[in-house]
Amino acid sequence: EIVLTQSPGTLSLSPGERATLSCRASQIVPFIYLAWYQQKPGQTPSLLISGASRRATGIPDRFSASGSGTDFTLTISRLEPEDFGVYYCQQSGRAFGQGTKVEVK
Amino acid sequence: VKLVESGGGAVQPGKSLRLSCAASGFTFRSFAMHWVRQAPGKGLEWVAVISFDASNTYLADSVTGRFTISRDNSNNTVYLQMNGLRPEDTGVYYCARPFSGTYHDAFDVWGQGTMVTVSS
Repeated sequence: EIVLTQSPGTLSLSPGERATLSCRASQIVPFIYLAWYQQKPGQTPSLLISGASRRATGIPDRFSASGSGTDFTLTISRLEPEDFGVYYCQQSGRAFGQGTKVEVK
Repeated sequence: VKLVESGGGAVQPGKSLRLSCAASGFTFRSFAMHWVRQAPGKGLEWVAVISFDASNTYLADSVTGRFTISRDNSNNTVYLQMNGLRPEDTGVYYCARPFSGTYHDAFDVWGQGTMVTVSS
């Protein structure tokens, strides 16, 4: 079973700053099978990016994903107020990472 | 496209619950379906998946032997039968649809979740 480890646990940033979130897998995961989700407090998770950097409907292009092998990155180029929340990586259809909280500095 | 979970509640350890997830707005019989849970204040945990035709099911190690996933394509519903419940099973249970319908795709549609509380 693949284990996904996200870092950092919490990222404190200001609006307009760049956010870089990391996801490391215990085994090789094809990039096409790595997904990212956002969850805001009290809300259901929502898909951000999947299938080799395919953004979900309505997701702005300030969100991008990269990586290969066991190391993957979600980048938010310029944080907007609505971007603060918890972000999860997932081996598509299976295990999730433990999450990275992006909070207002 | 909508998923609506039901069946959650408060039960004692060792008891059983059956969760349901009613789907609408898409061709349910063509999609694998998943259950995901989230303990209070914690992260997401994948629980189970069932193939589009119910011929294959897979469960997380933490629930194998206690939980069963099934589906009724005539009623567009997927179920999670939970037996031998433990306090660590407490959380919100979501059903989720994979984008392309296959096992190994990301979840583009989620239900609103149903709360399960296991406590004596």
